[in-house]
Amino acid sequence: KAGVTQTPRYLIKTRGQQVTLSCSPISGHRSVSWYQQTPGQGLQFLFEYFSETQRNKGNFPGRFSGRQFSNSRSEMNVSTLELGDSALYLCASSWTGGATNEKLFFGSGTQLSVL
Amino acid sequence: QKEVEQDPGPLSVPEGAIVSLNCTYSNSAFQYFMWYRQYSRKGPELLMYTYSSGNKEDGRFTAQVDKSSKYISLFIRDSQPSDSATYLCAMRTGGGADGLTFGKGTHLIIQP
Repeated sequence: KAGVTQTPRYLIKTRGQQVTLSCSPISGHRSVSWYQQTPGQGLQFLFEYFSETQRNKGNFPGRFSGRQFSNSRSEMNVSTLELGDSALYLCASSWTGGATNEKLFFGSGTQLSVL
Repeated sequence: QKEVEQDPGPLSVPEGAIVSLNCTYSNSAFQYFMWYRQYSRKGPELLMYTYSSGNKEDGRFTAQVDKSSKYISLFIRDSQPSDSATYLCAMRTGGGADGLTFGKGTHLIIQP
């Protein structure tokens, strides 16, 4: 069974640009969450999608947005990139995300560098 | 004060030693506790998942939760060089509406 797939693995952008990251969850998983990981702040929750609807959102500015498609694949978009957006962006999937004892499975992430 | 505190290390121990990793937290609403292992350039991998206070064992790993002290631990017995990684504690509230809250991770080095 394939794991969570994130593309691309690496991205280099410049300030002011926008970027789109992609995530394909484990087959059958309908919940997709996104996290940002930096050396200074660690892993921080961005948002979670289920059935094409954003259910939960972390404390990030509106420049960070996402969407989920009918096949549960998800994309994350960051507009007007800032140097501080340089991070590893991780996607995680689970069956429904609604049960608090559900386990999350993470992808390998997209390493974004903003110059 | 961050919600979850975790010593970043590095923690270096000889092969075969027992490793103890710890996290403290301040939010009493946290009810579910996890330990993830993350190798360099990889995503976190779930190791242990616990709910109630007490111990849970899985092979060489034991997770311990003390809700009264807001303190969780992960013990690794017979440590191996392949255990060298960053270990992240994570927790979530009963509602789970705000995703997982992670510690910053402890970098563990097992010396052959």
